[in-house]
Amino acid sequence: KQEVTQIPAALSVPEGENLVLNCSFTDSAIYNLQWFRQDPGKGLTSLLLIQSSQREQTSGRLNASLDKSSGRSTLYIAASQPGDSATYLCAVKNDYKLSFGAGTTVTVRA
Amino acid sequence: DAGITQSPRYKITETGRQVTLMCHQTWSHSYMFWYRQDLGHGLRLIYYSAAADITDKGEVPDGYVVSRSKTENFPLTLESATRSQTSVYFCASSSAVEAFFGQGTRLTVV
Repeated sequence: KQEVTQIPAALSVPEGENLVLNCSFTDSAIYNLQWFRQDPGKGLTSLLLIQSSQREQTSGRLNASLDKSSGRSTLYIAASQPGDSATYLCAVKNDYKLSFGAGTTVTVRA
Repeated sequence: DAGITQSPRYKITETGRQVTLMCHQTWSHSYMFWYRQDLGHGLRLIYYSAAADITDKGEVPDGYVVSRSKTENFPLTLESATRSQTSVYFCASSSAVEAFFGQGTRLTVV
């Protein structure tokens, strides 16, 4: 059974600081990994998807890396803004199913 | 509009009643999923479907029933609701690569 862990559970930073969110998983035989953003009371918005053959993926201020052999992914958010405050979820895909971490709740202070 | 929609968005029901949550997608994705999200547990897979008339249990299927007579619809039924089924329910559909989520249904069982 795939186990996904996200550390830290919560993070509070001043505006402008870079964010580093960590995700680890136990079964390295993944198809891909997705990072999602969830605002309070809302659904999940896909931020980045990394295929198992890729090492990283970038979109604007967001960069996600994947080290499949060690079972780790990191989401970097550069120059954080108050609008980045949300919960970030990591999900890995095995056998067409997604397994989720519990998320990292980020607060960016103005 | 293309996408995945869930209804209702909010539901209050009494213990012992049957309730059905609806999910509709417009992409004709083969795979569809139901997750529940609870504090301390993250998102857990209830049931999934690989195609019309093909469904399978996920991590927490007890007390739930699904059907999929058409590719675009994947309803979730709580046969006899219990307080422990109070949760936020998310439906998702997946292409060969990426998963997309609905806005969620907040269900309260009183």
